[in-house]
Amino acid sequence: SQTIHQWPATLVQPVGSPLSLECTVEGTSNPNLYWYRQAAGRGLQLLFYSVGIGQISSEVPQNLSASRPQDRQFILSSKKLLLSDSGFYLCAWSVSAAFPNTIYFGEGSWLTVV
Amino acid sequence: GIQVEQSPPDLILQEGANSTLRCNFSDSVNNLQWFHQNPWGQLINLFYIPSGTKQNGRLSATTVATERYSLLYISSSQTTDSGVYFCAVFMDSNYQLIWGAGTKLIIKP
Repeated sequence: SQTIHQWPATLVQPVGSPLSLECTVEGTSNPNLYWYRQAAGRGLQLLFYSVGIGQISSEVPQNLSASRPQDRQFILSSKKLLLSDSGFYLCAWSVSAAFPNTIYFGEGSWLTVV
Repeated sequence: GIQVEQSPPDLILQEGANSTLRCNFSDSVNNLQWFHQNPWGQLINLFYIPSGTKQNGRLSATTVATERYSLLYISSSQTTDSGVYFCAVFMDSNYQLIWGAGTKLIIKP
C-alpha cells in the first residue's frame, strides 16, 4: 500500500533562518505531489504542485520554493523565513493522471517562526 | 470558478447522536472528496464520492451531482469523531483543490 511521510513534525525557527521540509511517498511511482499551507484550521492553500521530477508549478508568489529531486521526494524550502511563514504545512500526493482523483495527505508540519 | 460551501460551520453534539453535514457546490463536478481533520492536524480521506452513496462503518456519504450537493452522515457519534470535516473538489485545469470552509464538530462525552 502507499504511504506518505513528511518531517519534521514540528519546528520553531528564528526569522531569517532557512527552512527545509521533506516529504516522501512509498508504494507508487510518478505521483503528483503537492505542498499546501493551512492557517487558522480552515481551508488549505495550494503552494506548489509537481507532475514529475524537476517540474514544479507555483500557485502563489511567496518566500518559499519547492524542489523534486527524485520521483517520490518533494522538498519545501526557504532561504530566509518571515514571521508570516508560520503555519501548518501539508504534503500530499495523487495518482498521476490527466485528471487527478483521490488525494492523500501526510501528517503535517507545524512551523513557528519567532 | 467553482464555489464550495459547507454547513453548518459549527456543530456540538452529545456522544451517541447522529449528524448530517452538507456540502454545496456551484457547478457540476466529477470529483468530490470528504476529509476529516483530527485535533492534531492529520487530514484523513473519508470518501471519494463524485456521485451516489457510499458507507464505511458509522459514516456514509451521498452526492447528488445533478442538484450539486453532497451529504456526510455520522451515526452514533463518538468523541473521536471530533474535528473539522472538509469537502473538496478538484479543478482539473490546474490541479487545484477547491475547499469548503469546513464544519467543526465537537462531540461531548
